[in-house]
Amino acid sequence: AQSVSQHNHHVILSEAASLELGCNYSYGGTVNLFWYVQYPGQHLQLLLKYFSGDPLVKGIKGFEAEFIKSKFSFNLRKPSVQWSDTAEYFCAVKRRELTGGGNKLTFGTGTQLKVEL
Amino acid sequence: EAGVTQSPTHLIKTRGQQATLRCSPISGHTSVYWYQQALGLGLQFLLWYDEGEERNRGNFPPRFSGRQFPNYSSELNVNALELEDSALYLCASSAPSGGSTDTQYFGPGTRLTVL
Repeated sequence: AQSVSQHNHHVILSEAASLELGCNYSYGGTVNLFWYVQYPGQHLQLLLKYFSGDPLVKGIKGFEAEFIKSKFSFNLRKPSVQWSDTAEYFCAVKRRELTGGGNKLTFGTGTQLKVEL
Repeated sequence: EAGVTQSPTHLIKTRGQQATLRCSPISGHTSVYWYQQALGLGLQFLLWYDEGEERNRGNFPPRFSGRQFPNYSSELNVNALELEDSALYLCASSAPSGGSTDTQYFGPGTRLTVL
């Protein structure tokens, strides 16, 4: 069974610090990759996604992620975080089979980011 | 454009009862997914409905069931409630895209508490 690992469970940063959140998955086939964010009191929102092509994808609010196939990784980055980035971040993976067993997202356990002023 | 909506926001039940949770997808989306977000267990896939049919289910007992209506809205039913069913239940929807590039958009969830 595939799994998704987010190694940082809690991260505390000061405003303007750089952010990198790790995400690794175990499935060896073709995958679609996602980062979702859950701000306090809000629902899960899509931050960015990767399907194919340029492995460096840009999302909303200055976030970007890089897909490194050889490392089965899809790390999330932001050069300078803001207090408003305080949230829980989830990495998710979907296998790209078109029939049977596909379409479900497998999520990592999430990383709680706190940005201090 | 309205997002995925779920009702009720909160639901309190006692052990052994049945719970019914509802979801309306984004207009034009035909697939509906249900996930459970339990404390300490993360987000786990429950069910996937597409064009009125159950297409896939996660590793949950049969007392978790649901259906999708002709208007693509969906219901999740949990029978014989147990304390460990207490969780946030999230619904997501996606547009028909052949499966390879679909993106799931999530609703606000229903918080189910089993006493």
